[in-house]
Amino acid sequence: GAGVSQSPRYKVTKRGQDVALRCDPISGHVSLYWYRQALGQGPEFLTYFNYEAQQDKSGLPNDRFSAERPEGSISTLTIQRTEQRDSAMYRCASSAQGYLTGELFFGEGSRLTVL
Amino acid sequence: DAKTTQPPSMDCAEGRAANLPCNHSTISGNEYVYWYRQIHSQGPQYIIHGLKNNETNEMASLIITEDRKSSTLILPHATLRDTAVYYCIVRAGDDKIIFGKGTRLHILP
Repeated sequence: GAGVSQSPRYKVTKRGQDVALRCDPISGHVSLYWYRQALGQGPEFLTYFNYEAQQDKSGLPNDRFSAERPEGSISTLTIQRTEQRDSAMYRCASSAQGYLTGELFFGEGSRLTVL
Repeated sequence: DAKTTQPPSMDCAEGRAANLPCNHSTISGNEYVYWYRQIHSQGPQYIIHGLKNNETNEMASLIITEDRKSSTLILPHATLRDTAVYYCIVRAGDDKIIFGKGTRLHILP
């Protein structure tokens, strides 16, 4: 089966534009996470879902960032009015239920560049 | 904030065992210890996790002290492909997974 799929892989946008990043998790995986990673830094937690419910959004930097997972599968991370400081690699991960919920499978990431 | 402390970097000779330490002195009884690694620009990769017993899989061994305040990840025969940043994480139940700064492991030829 396919792994976690993210699109677009690369996105270049101008400051002030809105961007939407998509994550398609492994089929049947209950949990879905979003992280942001700057060069040379560890992944920074943004938010996560169990099924369609957003369990924790404490890592979202400000109200320009939002995420949804309406049917408990595909998720979209939206950044409104982008700023240069939003430039980073955005990573999505999913995990199965039960004992293995801590085993995250990561996608290849979406690299966002805001000019 | 990460609940673990790791050395920022370590070196290990190829073919030798790499022993990566992690301190988690404030770990709670229901928190597991997880290890991930991130090779270059790839996404993090799960390695192993445990609660209080030592664990071993095809990638590594995890040794957790009896008081659970620290642990060691062991790569038994390190290769150049094991060069990566290794993250030690503590986490309860299905709580969020927080990555710290990790240890940058260099495998020397």
